[in-house]
Amino acid sequence: QLVLTQSPSASASLGASVKLTCTLSSGHSSYAIAWHQQQPEKGPRYLMKLNSDGSHRKGDGIPDRFSGSSSGAERYLTISSLQSEDEADYYCQTWGTGIRGEFGGGTKLTVL
Amino acid sequence: EVQLVQSGAEVKKPGESLEISCKGSGYSFTKYWIGWVRQMPGKGLEWMGVIFPGDSDPRYSPSFQGQVTISADKSISTAYMQWSSLKASDTAMYYCARRSTLYDPIDYWGQGTQVTVSS
Repeated sequence: QLVLTQSPSASASLGASVKLTCTLSSGHSSYAIAWHQQQPEKGPRYLMKLNSDGSHRKGDGIPDRFSGSSSGAERYLTISSLQSEDEADYYCQTWGTGIRGEFGGGTKLTVL
Repeated sequence: EVQLVQSGAEVKKPGESLEISCKGSGYSFTKYWIGWVRQMPGKGLEWMGVIFPGDSDPRYSPSFQGQVTISADKSISTAYMQWSSLKASDTAMYYCARRSTLYDPIDYWGQGTQVTVSS
């Protein structure tokens, strides 16, 4: 069964960096994912598509502070030089072999 | 500029029917998939289903098969999601979103439509 696992919460200080993790279930470690950001009281925004080899393609207007990387079944989103507006929920998404669109449970990022 | 503009908030009673819409602009509407995503109050994102407006071929997540109907009218670049008999548990924010192919992620989102079902 294709499942994405995310930690419920994370925190980091203003100006620091943070690395969020999304783990693909067993047998699906080659799948690409996407990262989406949802700021409080707003709709989601696409950040990037992240492949199993770590290559990624960002959405329009996404700052260089956002980057992605991969290791095995884990997919990472790194945000550097944290700003207050980065405080948001971050969701990973995959689509397996087509029509599916599973989301992880989301990570709530608090900027201290 | 790619835009997905959704219809406004709805307040309905249990048992009533409802259709919400999502109008695409700034791109070729018939060449991209449109998906629907549910977000219940205080919860995460759930994938409901997707349609290819070019041939109006809907595909549903197993959890939502039979619960909603997804359609599209390519002549007006608009996708729809319909309920025939709403339940209180349908109360949620609903987002439409674009995908280039079924092997690509969502790359644009609509602003969301709040649906409230209450007696």
